[in-house]
Amino acid sequence: NAGVTQTPKFRVLKTGQSMTLLCAQDMNHEYMYWYRQDPGMGLRLIHYSVGEGTTAKGEVPDGYNVSRLKKQNFLLGLESAAPSQTSVYFCASSRSALNTGELFFGEGSRLTVL
Amino acid sequence: AQSVTQLGSHVSVSEGALVLLRCNYSSSVPPYLFWYVQYPNQGLQLLLKYTTGATLVKGINGFEAEFKKSETSFHLTKPSAHMSDAAEYFCAVSRGNTPLVFGKGTRLSVIA
Repeated sequence: NAGVTQTPKFRVLKTGQSMTLLCAQDMNHEYMYWYRQDPGMGLRLIHYSVGEGTTAKGEVPDGYNVSRLKKQNFLLGLESAAPSQTSVYFCASSRSALNTGELFFGEGSRLTVL
Repeated sequence: AQSVTQLGSHVSVSEGALVLLRCNYSSSVPPYLFWYVQYPNQGLQLLLKYTTGATLVKGINGFEAEFKKSETSFHLTKPSAHMSDAAEYFCAVSRGNTPLVFGKGTRLSVIA
């Protein structure tokens, strides 16, 4: 049971570089989410998707883009990385409605921007 | 807009002692409330949730929480702490058709 898989798990970037984080889920969930976790800040929602081909902005969307071309995948892109984007990124998915379903999380991707 | 306040960023208890982690929420409509746990270097996993019905909710690993509308609280408790309970705990709230909003987390340390 893979559940939610994030790649890569670790990445170091220089300011201005671009990268994409991949999230894959094998539970046939409709809803997918990208959060970032920073010390003392809890989890903050970046973007989310309510189904294949849809995306929506969360609390902190600036500097990120997302795509959901396939139901099982949710990509998070950084076009021009900044040190403020140093964080641990978590992908999650859920089967039922946005507000009542249990979220299943990946193990996180630690990104450092120098 | 809904929000969550977790009182105490770090709580330390002795093994066998009561665990009490506090969560207060603000919401203009009846909320859905959740507690998640994060063990070191892992993602979050659901401990318990309140959506409707009984206000005392039991979760995994002996944890429970009580929804108190009059106090806008959803505190997490466990009668007897175990070393394996050491982790970070997040309260989350949602209402309507919006994604969960998480609190800033409380790190629980258990002392032998």
